[in-house]
Amino acid sequence: AQSVAQPEDQVNVAEGNPLTVKCTYSVSGNPYLFWYVQYPNRGLQFLLKYITGDNLVKGSYGFEAEFNKSQTSFHLKKPSALVSDSALYFCAVRDRKDTVNKFYFGSGTKLNVKP
Amino acid sequence: DTEVTQTPKHLVMGMTNKKSLKCEQHMGHRAMYWYKQKAKKPPELMFVYSYEKLSINESVPSRFSPECPNSSLLNLHLHALQPEDSALYLCASSQGPASGELFFGEGSRLTVL
Repeated sequence: AQSVAQPEDQVNVAEGNPLTVKCTYSVSGNPYLFWYVQYPNRGLQFLLKYITGDNLVKGSYGFEAEFNKSQTSFHLKKPSALVSDSALYFCAVRDRKDTVNKFYFGSGTKLNVKP
Repeated sequence: DTEVTQTPKHLVMGMTNKKSLKCEQHMGHRAMYWYKQKAKKPPELMFVYSYEKLSINESVPSRFSPECPNSSLLNLHLHALQPEDSALYLCASSQGPASGELFFGEGSRLTVL
C-alpha cells in the first residue's frame, strides 16, 4: 500500500533561519514525489517534484528537497525562511507504475515563521 | 494560461437543493480531478477523468455526480447533500492521466445547511 507520513503537525522557525519540513513515504515501486503549499482558503500550489536524476530538487520560492532512497524520505528545505512562507505544506507521492495520477497526500505540516 | 478556474468560490445550500460546481482549464490538459478537503486535512480524491472519460470513482456517494462535457470543463452536480458534505472542493488538472504534477484551482467552499 502507498502512504506518506509527515511526522510534524507544526514546525516553528524564526525568520532568516533555515527550515525543514519532513516527509517519508512508502510505495511498492519507485515513486514520483511532490511538495505542495496551501495558503488559507486557497487551493494547493505546486512547489517541486522528484521524477528521476539528481536527488536534490530545486523548486519555487527558494525551496528545495532531497530525495533519499535508503531512508525513503523527501524532506523540504529552505536556507532562509520568510514570514510569508507561513502556510500548510503537503507532501505527495505517486507510484510511477500507476496508469492514472493517483496521488497520496501526507497529513500536512503547518509552518509558522515568526519575525 | 496556467490557471484552473473554479466557480462559485462560495456556495451555501440546503439539503434538498440541487446545485453544481464548475471547473475550467485552458492548458490543454487531458486529465481532470475532483478532490474534497476538510479543514486542516489533506485533499481526498473523489473522481478522475481521463480524456473526458471517468476513470476513477473513489466510492463517492451518488449524491455527487461528476460530468466532463469536454476536455476543458469539469462539473460536479450536487443533490440531497448532508451537512457533513460541507468542505472545500478542489478541482485539479494534469497534462496527461499518468504524467506530471497536478494544477489546482482555488476551490469552492461548500456549506450544507
